[in-house]
Amino acid sequence: DSGVTQTPKHLITATGQRVTLRCSPRSGDLSVYWYQQSLDQGLQFLIQYYNGEERAKGNILERFSAQQFPDLHSELNLSSLELGDSALYFCASSGRQGPHTGELFFGEGSRLTVL
Amino acid sequence: DAKTTQPNSMESNEEEPVHLPCNHSTISGTDYIHWYRQLPSQGPEYVIHGLTSNVNNRMASLAIAEDRKSSTLILHRATLRDAAVYYCILFSGNTPLVFGKGTRLSVIA
Repeated sequence: DSGVTQTPKHLITATGQRVTLRCSPRSGDLSVYWYQQSLDQGLQFLIQYYNGEERAKGNILERFSAQQFPDLHSELNLSSLELGDSALYFCASSGRQGPHTGELFFGEGSRLTVL
Repeated sequence: DAKTTQPNSMESNEEEPVHLPCNHSTISGTDYIHWYRQLPSQGPEYVIHGLTSNVNNRMASLAIAEDRKSSTLILHRATLRDAAVYYCILFSGNTPLVFGKGTRLSVIA
């Protein structure tokens, strides 16, 4: 158990819909990262937040947005869903010891299926 | 981003040592070498990291070449539970971890 909690574990929805994925980081971790893993693209970095502020942005579509709340949990919002958005979405956290050392703790992921 | 090159797949017998290679010829002086693994249906899991010296922990050992252009993750006795995709990643501290395709390790009983 990494200490990172993601909900929901599975989600099935239709094209054009909007969903929200939730992540609770390990206790005390200030950084939250979102990654997308699909069969053809591998693990792709989407976005990072540190203590409520956006820190880095990767290949995140404009239809996707995220935020980190004062209690440090994070949400990833996916809208106008397309079939190609079907993937595993992982959240990771780091930062308990201070400066980022590169050691990330990943949750078990949220599997999104768009029909 | 500095890139790493790993074999697509490797196979090992159970209880035998496994040496997973990684080439990173464009590594910079401040890049750490990180290894993660991803078991089936799970999120990636940190394994080990190092800068210049060889490193050991309870999961594995990391051997780093003297010129730092390559490294090897060593699993001393492979078990069926070690079957996973292993990722070798260079990390400079300024950008998030970028995962490549990794090496898919199969362990045969």
